[in-house]
Amino acid sequence: EAQVTQNPRYLITVTGKKLTVTCSQNMNHEYMSWYRQDPGLGLRQIYYSMNVEVTDKGDVPEGYKVSRKEKRNFPLILESPSPNQTSLYFCASRSGGGRNTEAFFGQGTRLTVV
Amino acid sequence: DQQVKQNSPSLSVQEGRISILNCDYTNSMFDYFLWYKKYPAEGPTFLISISSIKDKNEDGRFTVFLNKSAKHLSLHIVPSQPGDSAVYFCAASDRAQKLVFGQGTRLTINP
Repeated sequence: EAQVTQNPRYLITVTGKKLTVTCSQNMNHEYMSWYRQDPGLGLRQIYYSMNVEVTDKGDVPEGYKVSRKEKRNFPLILESPSPNQTSLYFCASRSGGGRNTEAFFGQGTRLTVV
Repeated sequence: DQQVKQNSPSLSVQEGRISILNCDYTNSMFDYFLWYKKYPAEGPTFLISISSIKDKNEDGRFTVFLNKSAKHLSLHIVPSQPGDSAVYFCAASDRAQKLVFGQGTRLTINP
């Protein structure tokens, strides 16, 4: 079954404690990205990657890091989380064969930073 | 700087009637538009899309209309069903393959 898998689904952490949210896709997609969803703001892109070892900033990259060492994995790293990073996070992947292709989303990670 | 805007946070429609969700965009470089549907505790799922070279795309009960001169697109759902109750996101894509989303519209279908 084609899918994007994020872990964990829920996470409560304290300010400053480094964390990683994992994302894995089994569709051999080149393009992967991270979004955060906040009330009234919709989905905003944090980082994206067009292929292995190629990453770039989205609209709200501050406080986040990513890596793309393998095609299937695209982890999101918060080196020093702060309460304003409390949000619902989604990982997505798309085929790079054409930009007119739909994105597949993971089920989301609800992060609370206290 | 919201490049894709959904100005209606919520919409309530009676079952069997038409639901019309609207979306406006500002960036003339967008050339591909998509609608996503999101249920609680799930990720968004793709619903329907349209290229900028078309003005209409239909898939079953769902039709998307694009008015390039007005930089406006809309999603029509006919007839509306209770299972259509969800949050709907409009998204636009540019040549950099970046997907830009609107704020979302919560659609409620009343029996």
